[in-house]
Amino acid sequence: DVKVTQSSRYLVKRTGEKVFLECVQDMDHENMFWYRQDPGLGLRLIYFSYDVKMKEKGDIPEGYSVSREKKERFSLILESASTNQTSMYLCASSALRGQIAYEQYFGPGTRLTVT
Amino acid sequence: GQNIDQPTEMTATEGAIVQINCTYQTSGFNGLFWYQQHAGEAPTFLSYNVLDGLEEKGRFSSFLSRSKGYSYLLLKELQMKDSASYLCAVRVLSSGGYQKVTFGIGTKLQVIP
Repeated sequence: DVKVTQSSRYLVKRTGEKVFLECVQDMDHENMFWYRQDPGLGLRLIYFSYDVKMKEKGDIPEGYSVSREKKERFSLILESASTNQTSMYLCASSALRGQIAYEQYFGPGTRLTVT
Repeated sequence: GQNIDQPTEMTATEGAIVQINCTYQTSGFNGLFWYQQHAGEAPTFLSYNVLDGLEEKGRFSSFLSRSKGYSYLLLKELQMKDSASYLCAVRVLSSGGYQKVTFGIGTKLQVIP
């Protein structure tokens, strides 16, 4: 079974803090993704990565950055947390065959509250 | 950009059949996924369509018409545990030449006795 784990289920941070969200997958997947999920807005893609040290912006990258130093690990960084970044953050991974991405496996999510 | 529409809420009766529709307008379409998400949990993969037609998987089926930009998820013999949100997701070609997946807002299905 594919396992995607996230470093925290719940996190509370103060405005202006630097926040790191970690995601690890154990299936040797090439693709990894970070989403945020908000009521009425659904899952929105922040960044994704198709290889080590490679990254692409998703639909809402502003205020976020990412790091992928190892294939199994994909980190989301909030350089200076703001209250509008309070959300559920979901990491996902998928296999890549040729240039086709297959179904995604999601981690349990991190509920981040910025006060 | 991508535009994916699905109803926000539906209610159906245990044992019945329900159809959840999804319409999309995208460039570079290359496949459609359905995911199930129970409250407080992560989404889990249900089905995938890339060619026109129906894909059946037990009680769940998914249909795709690429020319109409339309898909539906059909759930038969509804059970109480099917109460969840159902997410339609479209795979498209990103500006960098790689494929990315964009989700609709999800349809919250309530199954009642």
